[in-house]
Amino acid sequence: SQTIHQWPATLVQPVGSPLSLECTVEGTSNPNLYWYRQAAGRGLQLLFYSVGIGQISSEVPQNLSASRPQDRQFILSSKKLLLSDSGFYLCAWRRGQDEKLFFGSGTQLSVL
Amino acid sequence: AQTVTQSQPEMSVQEAETVTLSCTYDTSESDYYLFWYKQPPSRQMILVIRQEAYKQQNATENRFSVNFQKAAKSFSLKISDSQLGDAAMYFCAYDNFGNEKLTFGTGTRLTIIP
Repeated sequence: SQTIHQWPATLVQPVGSPLSLECTVEGTSNPNLYWYRQAAGRGLQLLFYSVGIGQISSEVPQNLSASRPQDRQFILSSKKLLLSDSGFYLCAWRRGQDEKLFFGSGTQLSVL
Repeated sequence: AQTVTQSQPEMSVQEAETVTLSCTYDTSESDYYLFWYKQPPSRQMILVIRQEAYKQQNATENRFSVNFQKAAKSFSLKISDSQLGDAAMYFCAYDNFGNEKLTFGTGTRLTIIP
């Protein structure tokens, strides 16, 4: 069966520090991968998605970047965090277009 | 661009009763998918139900069912025999056929009253 791992679960970082959140999927190959952000009490905002290694599509211009160095690994990064980067970050995957989307357990990021 | 609207930020229902959550969407496409996701206090996003637009029959999953009105672009979720464990944020989502990404609504927070 397929599983998705996302870490860390919580993270507190000072303004201006770098960020690296990692997500890996097991039990499948060539998944579509996604990073979403959820502000407190709000809906989900799609940040990035990837349909293959090295292929990244950005949805919202921002202080963040994403990379996919391996087939089942998706990384969300920032060189210098802003206060506005605080939020709940969710990684998700699915087999392909029109398939169900499965989510990781999320990372609560607090930038202070 | 497709949009998904959930007009009820909060809903509450008595335990064992039935509640309906509303969702409307805007699209010019004819082939698409619709989803309801549940986010309990643990914040884990859980798929509740999926509907293919080309199917006239409404999807059901145990106590969860949808009322899909394609012409009206409406996709409501009915929860029967509400249980305390149903308390969560519920998100409606739209997926255009052949597209790479889902569009989510802003969510409805459901409270179950014991």
